[in-house]
Amino acid sequence: AQKITQTQPGMFVQEKEAVTLDCTYDTSDPSYGLFWYKQPSSGEMIFLIYQGSYDQQNATEGRYSLNFQKARKSANLVISASQLGDSAMYFCAMNDGGFKTIFGAGTRLFVKA
Amino acid sequence: DAGVTQSPTHLIKTRGQQVTLRCSPKSGHDTVSWYQQALGQGPQFIFQYYEEEERQRGNFPDRFSGHQFPNYSSELNVNALLLGDSALYLCASSSKLATGTDTQYFGPGTRLTVL
Repeated sequence: AQKITQTQPGMFVQEKEAVTLDCTYDTSDPSYGLFWYKQPSSGEMIFLIYQGSYDQQNATEGRYSLNFQKARKSANLVISASQLGDSAMYFCAMNDGGFKTIFGAGTRLFVKA
Repeated sequence: DAGVTQSPTHLIKTRGQQVTLRCSPKSGHDTVSWYQQALGQGPQFIFQYYEEEERQRGNFPDRFSGHQFPNYSSELNVNALLLGDSALYLCASSSKLATGTDTQYFGPGTRLTVL
């Protein structure tokens, strides 16, 4: 069965430093997509980055990069040069080619000035 | 380019009532999914609509039903509301044909409170 695990309920990072948010997943399907979303206190889920299971390179989008380790079933999000506006909940999600996307429990990131 | 829109923003209902939530997908998207997000948890998949048909459903009772219209907009209906239905309801749109991936874009959500 599909599963997403985010083991860090909360993380603190100093402004301008990099931070890694952990995500592990489980699926038996060889074709899948991995996603990270940011959810500020306003509630809207904001798409950050996508990684396909067959992509050879790690995905990057501006200050966001996805550290994809397929053998370990790991898809960690790296945020470089953290900003105060990065304080939010972050969700890792997966779609294994079906019609359903499953989400982890989330990690709350606090950026300190 | 308009993103995903949802209405209403907030809603307060009492137990046993019925509610309808609305969603308009992002321009160019043909698929709409609905999620329930309880406080402090990740979103849970309710169902997905494509070509006006429900094509997959999560672990939700029949009290939850939906509809997709020819213009791809969608409604989520919940009957016989329970206190446990209080949550943020998120609509997401996607188009694998248009984007090549299953990336979903979310609306701002409807916060439902059941008293």
